[in-house]
Amino acid sequence: EDQVTQSPEALRLQEGESSSLNCSYTVSGLRGLFWYRQDPGKGPEFLFTLYSAGEEKEKERLKATLTKKESFLHITAPKPEDSATYLCAVQAVSNTGKLIFGQGTTLQVKP
Amino acid sequence: KAGVTQTPRYLIKTRGQQVTLSCSPISGHRSVSWYQQTPGQGLQFLFEYFSETQRNKGNFPGRFSGRQFSNSRSEMNVSTLELGDSALYLCASSLETQYFGPGTRLLVL
Repeated sequence: EDQVTQSPEALRLQEGESSSLNCSYTVSGLRGLFWYRQDPGKGPEFLFTLYSAGEEKEKERLKATLTKKESFLHITAPKPEDSATYLCAVQAVSNTGKLIFGQGTTLQVKP
Repeated sequence: KAGVTQTPRYLIKTRGQQVTLSCSPISGHRSVSWYQQTPGQGLQFLFEYFSETQRNKGNFPGRFSGRQFSNSRSEMNVSTLELGDSALYLCASSLETQYFGPGTRLLVL
């Protein structure tokens, strides 16, 4: 069964304290792995797509990496405005219209 | 480019009623997917429509249905509402990457 597990569930950081979020997945034929950010009461906001092991994408303080079994979202020198829930999702080759989401990691960055 | 829009943003219904939610995709996107988000279950896939045809369906009861129009706008309907249907309903449109709307918050009393 295709599934996604994210850890930790919650993470508290001081401003400037770098860390990583983990996304472990099992899927029968990975088409893509997606990272989204979701603020309270809003829809998920697209961050990155990764397609193959070894691929990396960067945007401001965020960097996403992908292996055959997991993905990491590295947050460098976070700011309070990075506080949000970060969601990881996979898309299978056999079912491209469906994203399978993890439960998310809620990040709080304190000034 | 305008993003995905959903209406209404908030709804309060009572058990047994039915509800229709609407989603307007990004211009040019032909695929629309629907998800239910709850604190306990997270984001779960409901169904996907492409060119007016349901292409994929998740594990939800038949009370949940949808349709897509020729202009790619989509609606989902939930009949005989139950308390457990209270959730944030999200739609996403895509060419390849799914872009989400702000959601409709449904409260069933």
